[in-house]
Amino acid sequence: GQQLNQSPQSMFIQEGEDVSMNCTSSSIFNTWLWYKQDPGEGPVLLIALYKAGELTSNGRLTAQFGITRKDSFLNISASIPSDVGIYFCAGQSGGSNYKLTFGKGTLLTVNP
Amino acid sequence: DAGITQSPRYKITETGRQVTLMCHQTWSHSYMFWYRQDLGHGLRLIYYSAAADITDKGEVPDGYVVSRSKTENFPLTLESATRSQTSVYFCATRDRGTDGYTFGSGTRLTVV
Repeated sequence: GQQLNQSPQSMFIQEGEDVSMNCTSSSIFNTWLWYKQDPGEGPVLLIALYKAGELTSNGRLTAQFGITRKDSFLNISASIPSDVGIYFCAGQSGGSNYKLTFGKGTLLTVNP
Repeated sequence: DAGITQSPRYKITETGRQVTLMCHQTWSHSYMFWYRQDLGHGLRLIYYSAAADITDKGEVPDGYVVSRSKTENFPLTLESATRSQTSVYFCATRDRGTDGYTFGSGTRLTVV
C-alpha cells in the first residue's frame, strides 16, 4: 500500500524559532493535507494543497505541494508554546474512495 | 451540539471481553472512518464506510467489527479484546466534495 515518510519524528525547539517538516511518498498524490493534533484531542485540518508547486499559508504556517507530487513541506515561523502537538501530513490519490494516507507524525515541543 | 462525538472517552476492559466504541455525527456526512493511533505507527485505518450499510476494511481490520445501519452512527466493536488492542481510537467523517476529515476527540481504550 501507499506509505508516507514524515520527518523529523520529533523536534524540540525554543520559542521564536522557525520549524520545518516534510513528507515524502513513493507514489503520486493529488491532494496533500496537514493536520495538527493537540494533546488529548483529535487531529484538526490546518492546510489543504491541491496543485503541484502550490504554496499556501495559514497565519504563521506555510505549506507547499512538491513539484513531483510526491512530497510536501510545512513550515512554522516564530514558534509559540501553543504550537506544541503532533503534526501529520496526509495524502489522497485519485480513485482512493476518499481515503487518506497519513504520515506517522512529527512531535513538536516548544520550550518557552 | 453539532459535530462528531465519540463515547466513551476512556475505557478499561479485560482480555476476552466484547467492547463497543461509539461514534455519532450530527451532520449527514457520507464517509466515516475508524483509526487507531499508536506510538511509532501514527494513524492506521481500521474500517471505513461510504454510506449507510456500506463498509469496507482498512489497513488493520482483524479483531474488529463495524456496522452502519444509520448514516449518523458508526460503532466499532472489539469482539474479544486483546492487549494489543490497547490504543487510542479516532472516528472521523468526510462529506462528499469537501477536503479532509473531521476527527472526534478519541477514545482511549486499555485492555488488561
